[in-house]
Amino acid sequence: GENVEQHPSTLSVQEGDSAVIKCTYSDSASNYFPWYKQELGKGPQLIIDIRSNVGEKKDQRIAVTLNKTAKHFSLHITETQPEDSAVYFCAARVNNAGNMLTFGGGTRLMVKP
Amino acid sequence: NAGVTQTPKFRVLKTGQSMTLLCAQDMNHEYMYWYRQDPGMGLRLIHYSVGEGTTAKGEVPDGYNVSRLKKQNFLLGLESAAPSQTSVYFCASSYLAGGPKEQFFGPGTRLTVL
Repeated sequence: GENVEQHPSTLSVQEGDSAVIKCTYSDSASNYFPWYKQELGKGPQLIIDIRSNVGEKKDQRIAVTLNKTAKHFSLHITETQPEDSAVYFCAARVNNAGNMLTFGGGTRLMVKP
Repeated sequence: NAGVTQTPKFRVLKTGQSMTLLCAQDMNHEYMYWYRQDPGMGLRLIHYSVGEGTTAKGEVPDGYNVSRLKKQNFLLGLESAAPSQTSVYFCASSYLAGGPKEQFFGPGTRLTVL
């Protein structure tokens, strides 16, 4: 089955700096790569996603890049703010009927004011 | 719309006890999922359902059972709880039609098994 690895497990940045979180996946049939943000005491919430026919996607301060050949994808957050502090999860979906996701282990991002 | 709701929010069990976690969604989603979240391991799929009356095993199904008698509800049961089942449990739901669909998550249930 699919295996998703995520790095780093913790990341501390100064407010205003950029943050990058990287993920690799194992199944070349995966075709959908969402990123979820989980705030303390809450469930994960989708912040951005990318499909396998696209190399990059941006939404204001966040962007995701995908390298299908290398089987890795990354989340980029620019001009970080304290409210970006949370746990971020990457995931991959193999093209199947169940819309099932395999998640990475998570990255705890801390943005220092 | 309430989205995805889970009850209870917290529960403490003794080894060998049983319990049922309830998930409800009001978005008319076809797919529903149960995950467990453990430190450093992300979210792992326990069971899922692609429609009313159907269930299927995920990555870590042992020790759990599920039922989907109504489209809006997905129940997760622990027949004989073990300390290894101490975790935070999340329910999610998504649409069926078309390509990959966003999964909407509930707020979670924190379960401790002593």
